[in-house]
Amino acid sequence: QKEVEQNSGPLSVPEGAIASLNCTYSDRGSQSFFWYRQYSGKSPELIMFIYSNGDKEDGRFTAQLNKASQYVSLLIRDSQPSDSATYLCAVNGANDYKLSFGAGTTVTVRA
Amino acid sequence: DADVTQTPRNRITKTGKRIMLECSQTKGHDRMYWYRQDPGLGLRLIYYSFDVKDINKGEISDGYSVSRQAQAKFSLSLESAIPNQTALYFCATSPIPGQGRPDTQYFGPGTRLTVL
Repeated sequence: QKEVEQNSGPLSVPEGAIASLNCTYSDRGSQSFFWYRQYSGKSPELIMFIYSNGDKEDGRFTAQLNKASQYVSLLIRDSQPSDSATYLCAVNGANDYKLSFGAGTTVTVRA
Repeated sequence: DADVTQTPRNRITKTGKRIMLECSQTKGHDRMYWYRQDPGLGLRLIYYSFDVKDINKGEISDGYSVSRQAQAKFSLSLESAIPNQTALYFCATSPIPGQGRPDTQYFGPGTRLTVL
């Protein structure tokens, strides 16, 4: 059973600030890590994936992975009101294409 | 545009009724999934299917059944709905190795189900 824990929210940040989201997972065999964004009442949308230790940047988003610590994070730089959403961390294993999701962290960006 | 669609989008029903939620996709993916989402609990896997002849239970399959009618269609049934099945239901798809990243899932718009 893969368990995925996310830091409890809600997280409120001012516009232009950095939002930092954290996720830990229990299965050391996990190989792939994903961040989904979900607006209220909408479906999850994939925004980042990371497979290797280190940082991966895509626009204003940076995913960070540390497999030794079983930790993955998402940084949102220059936060905008449109970033206000729930962010879901998802993890799967080496030969198991099922995803385990965290409960999500809700981010509110204050204008 | 390749997509994942779900019908109905909203449904209100009564305890004991049989309900079917349908999912169709034009992505050409072989793998399909059904999740439910409850506030504070994230997404939980109900059933998944890696091809038409392969159907597997997820972590919360009790009270649900599925049918994979074709590569593009995967239906979820609640044989006798109960109030604690009130939730947001999502269908998702993923490619097989060679089609793309098999661990990357794409979600439909969801069905909001209320059981009274």
